[in-house]
Amino acid sequence: DIQMTQSPSTLSASVGDRVTITCRASQSVFTWLAWYQQKPGKAPKLLIYKTSSLESGVPSRFSGSGSGTEFTLTISSLQPDDFATYYCQQYSSYWTFGQGTKVEIK
Amino acid sequence: QITLKESGPTLVKPTQTLTLTCTFSGFSFSTSEVGVGWIRQPPGKALEWLALIYWDDDKRYSPSLRSRLTITKDTSKNQVVLTMTNLDHVDTATYYCAHRAPRSAGKTFDYWGQGTLVTVSS
Repeated sequence: DIQMTQSPSTLSASVGDRVTITCRASQSVFTWLAWYQQKPGKAPKLLIYKTSSLESGVPSRFSGSGSGTEFTLTISSLQPDDFATYYCQQYSSYWTFGQGTKVEIK
Repeated sequence: QITLKESGPTLVKPTQTLTLTCTFSGFSFSTSEVGVGWIRQPPGKALEWLALIYWDDDKRYSPSLRSRLTITKDTSKNQVVLTMTNLDHVDTATYYCAHRAPRSAGKTFDYWGQGTLVTVSS
């Protein structure tokens, strides 16, 4: 099984901050890596797929990078609507999610 | 417009079998590479993929839960059914079904149902 590890688990930030979340895979997932945003009581929302492709309708302040075993999600300027929990997911071999990163208000 | 909706019992007793149905619209299993998956999330915890069925009836299961899961589809009804046997308290979770886009599109689970909370309790 491929394990996904996100860091940090919690991140405190202010509106306007640049935020970076890291996701590491236990083995190479090439570029088969996605990022989701989830708000309380809601289903996850796909933000980024194939490491760096922005899903339709997702603001351009979200970006993704990486390859192999290390990936990052960056929010260039945090907005009030961005406070949520973010999950990475590999889909190179079956599907595995990271444990999540909660972005909270500082 | 793709939509999915989960249905099933909200309360199940330990050792019982859970049957969940995902009813979808806006796509069909006649589209090559399309799949429908099930993912769950215990309260306050992370997402966990459970199973997936492809357009051609190929199936994939989480290795850790394989022995307890069965996924099937009814193409005529646009439904996917997940069965999980021998429920335990740790299976209490919100269960989601999701559309898996064709691999050629480079995407993964791009549309999700609203989820259904299943509580395992005697």
